[in-house]
Amino acid sequence: QSALTQPASVSGSPGQSITISCTGTSSDVGGYNYVSWYQQHPGKAPKLMIYEVSNRPSGVSNRFSGSKSGNTASLTISGLQAEDEADYYCSSYTSSAWVFGGGTKLTVL
Amino acid sequence: EVQLVETGGGLIQPGGSLRLSCAASGFTVSSNYMSWVRQAPGKGLEWVSVIYSGGSTYYADSVKGRFTISRDNSKNTLYLQMNSLRAEDTAVYYCARVGVVVAANAFDYWGQGTLVTVSS
Repeated sequence: QSALTQPASVSGSPGQSITISCTGTSSDVGGYNYVSWYQQHPGKAPKLMIYEVSNRPSGVSNRFSGSKSGNTASLTISGLQAEDEADYYCSSYTSSAWVFGGGTKLTVL
Repeated sequence: EVQLVETGGGLIQPGGSLRLSCAASGFTVSSNYMSWVRQAPGKGLEWVSVIYSGGSTYYADSVKGRFTISRDNSKNTLYLQMNSLRAEDTAVYYCARVGVVVAANAFDYWGQGTLVTVSS
């Protein structure tokens, strides 16, 4: 159950687009289409932003999109806004267990 | 409206035991997959345990043999019994619902978390 690999930090200016990568193995990210992404603001609980690689829950802005290629999943946020500044975590299902990425701090400049 | 409320956290000495509760409303715990996820101070998220609707349970290697997940269907409540606690178990513990049909294998609803501090 090794953690998925995410960049520690990314940044972008308002209106720009950023992409956060999430690298795992063929046992997790590459083996299942059950990658999800979570947004967490300081002191708050995580919030589901993307599920099953590329699907958005009701109420999540269409500025958030997800994709996967091989063992790497990606979260793209377009039209960056100040309120997007937060920590982002990827997660993958892996045979009756789950594994998270180490988290990426997004800074909106 | 779906709501999850965790209670039971606090300060406990190493080697001690604690039971966390997660009261659910707006859905039936026993008909869903339910999980515990923790977050050490300043660190990332770590999956801890899951209980499936059929009753099967699974644990992260870091807590296997020490933690037990269970539920009380009459109270619509999820539990996490934590024994032989260690300093490295210090974290905010979140309960979360796992999607099955929609948002399959994603944590679609989360509680606000309860802080467990293991220290002498």
